[in-house]
Amino acid sequence: GQQLNQSPQSMFIQEGEDVSMNCTSSSIFNTWLWYKQDPGEGPVLLIALYKAGELTSNGRLTAQFGITRKDSFLNISASIPSDVGIYFCAGLDTGGFKTIFGAGTRLFVKA
Amino acid sequence: DGGITQSPKYLFRKEGQNVTLSCEQNLNHDAMYWYRQDPGQGLRLIYYSQIVNDFQKGDIAEGYSVSREKKESFPLTVTSAQKNPTAFYLCASSIGRARGNQPQHFGDGTRLSIL
Repeated sequence: GQQLNQSPQSMFIQEGEDVSMNCTSSSIFNTWLWYKQDPGEGPVLLIALYKAGELTSNGRLTAQFGITRKDSFLNISASIPSDVGIYFCAGLDTGGFKTIFGAGTRLFVKA
Repeated sequence: DGGITQSPKYLFRKEGQNVTLSCEQNLNHDAMYWYRQDPGQGLRLIYYSQIVNDFQKGDIAEGYSVSREKKESFPLTVTSAQKNPTAFYLCASSIGRARGNQPQHFGDGTRLSIL
């Protein structure tokens, strides 16, 4: 079945550093999504990307939909302690209904 | 405010017992989903429903059952046939396929533990 490879699995960074994570797939997706999950909570949608090549920002977050439609990355600039959590990428399949999730990147920020 | 409400937040199950997790949404979304999340893992799809009175099995449906009698409600029953039910359960909803590809939005989850 379809799978997303998300990397890195975890990151330990210092407050103020920039962060980059990415997702790749062997399948084409029409939509790429990035979510953040805080401990004990549900994932919250950060950024949605609908067009190949699209670059979208949400505050300190920037995400891009790869030209091949098989990859996406998320950057976080000037990290702060509240950025701690699990970041999931997700792709909506070409049928438009099923969402495939990556395994998540666990971000730890040291103040 | 519109959103997805899951209850209870924490639930304990005895051996051989069925338990039902509640999920309600007031977003007027057609599609609803149930996921299971194990510690340090991603999300695995249990069941989904595209419209009232219709639902399909996801990747790990064995030991679970659902119903979709109302648009706003999609309860999940964890049956005694599910031998390893301890996990974090997440409910989600989306506008629905008929209105284009739209992201899913999640509730705050129910943590189920076996006694």
